[in-house]
Formats: sequence, structure tokens, C-alpha cells
Amino acid sequence: EVQLVESGGGLVKPGASLKLSCVASGFTFSDYWMSWVRQTPGKTMEWIGDIKYDGSYTNYAPSLKNRFTISRDNAKSTLYLQMSNVRSEDTATYYCTSYDSYVMDAWGQGASVTVSS
Amino acid sequence: QIMLTQQAESLWISPGERVSITCRASQSLLYTDGKHYLSWYQQRPGQTTKALIYHASVRTDGVPTRFIGSGSGTEFTLSIEHVQPEDFAIYYCLQTLKSPYTFGAGTKLELK
Repeated sequence: EVQLVESGGGLVKPGASLKLSCVASGFTFSDYWMSWVRQTPGKTMEWIGDIKYDGSYTNYAPSLKNRFTISRDNAKSTLYLQMSNVRSEDTATYYCTSYDSYVMDAWGQGASVTVSS
Repeated sequence: QIMLTQQAESLWISPGERVSITCRASQSLLYTDGKHYLSWYQQRPGQTTKALIYHASVRTDGVPTRFIGSGSGTEFTLSIEHVQPEDFAIYYCLQTLKSPYTFGAGTKLELK
């Protein structure tokens, strides 16, 4: 069974950094592009970015590119999202997804991030 | 960036009815391979988000046949025939033709 499990969320202060992890199982992680998506408390979905199966290429939403970094460790079947200089508008649930060019076919249960002083 | 508009924020229906959810793109989602890069997702409380449809009309594995994707160019529809109790959820469209990929605002199916 395909499973994606995010962790690392929580309450953080504005300007801080936070790193989310997503552990994958049930499929050959190193064969798949992966992506991060976030959902605001108002239920708006926003694509953050994605990473090639071997980690050699990343692509980001322009509005987040300077503060968010996606990486992966295929040996650990783990995807990461490094968030820096977080703002109140980064408050959201963060999902990792396995990704083909045409569909995000598996999603995790999400990690909740709240940015507040 | 490509904007996706799901006009209806909520739709109230009764079980057994047919419902259509529309998604309009600000530009054509047709790629040179002849396929549309538009997919649909279902989000139910307490469950992981589920991919229903890709390439506008292809059901993912295990998705019931009552879910039907249609449309082309900039206009797309997700129809659900004979709505079941488990279908009351939020539905999103997503375009992956051009980065940054973008979602519709979501349409919530609610019990009438």
C-alpha cells in the first residue's frame, strides 16, 4: 500500500525556519517525482514545487522560491521541505504527493504549520 | 500563471442525484501530445486527498465509473452520477500544463 507520512509541523514564530519531512513507503520512491502542496485554513490549495526522481532538478512557485527548498534522500525514501523566514501567511497544512506529469496520484495526510508570535 | 475558476463554492444535492462541477481555465490546457493536463481530486475529512481523473477524462485506478470527467480547451466538468453518501466532499481541479501549477478554489458537495 502506498503511504506518505509527513512530519515536522507545529507552531513557529515569524522569521523562524522549519523543516518538514515526508517518508514514503509502498512504492519505489527513487522512481518518482515528488511535490509539495499546501492548503490554507480557508481550504485554498497552492502548489509549492516539485523535485525530479534523482533530486537533480527542482521547480518552485515563484512566490515561494526564495524561502522554500525541496530536497530528497532516496536512500531513506524521504522528501523534505525547508521553510525559512516564515510568515503568518505560511500557516497551512502541508502535503507531499507523488507526482507524474499529469496527476498527483498519492497524497499524505498532511502536516499542520502555524506561524504566530 | 494559468487561473482555474470553479464557480460554485458549494452545491447542495440529494443522494441519488446527478451533479456537475465545472472548472474553467484562463488558457487552453491542451498540450502538443493531444492531451489535456487537467486533473480532479476529492478531499474527504479524515482521508487523504484522492486523485479521481487525469487528462481531463481518464479515471485513476479504482475510481468508480459514476465519476466522469469531460471537457476540452478551457472548459472542464466533473460529473457524478447517482451521488453516494461517501461522495459528499470537496472537489478540486488542477492544471499541470504550465508551471506554476494551479488549483481551482474547490467545490464542496453538501447534503440537501
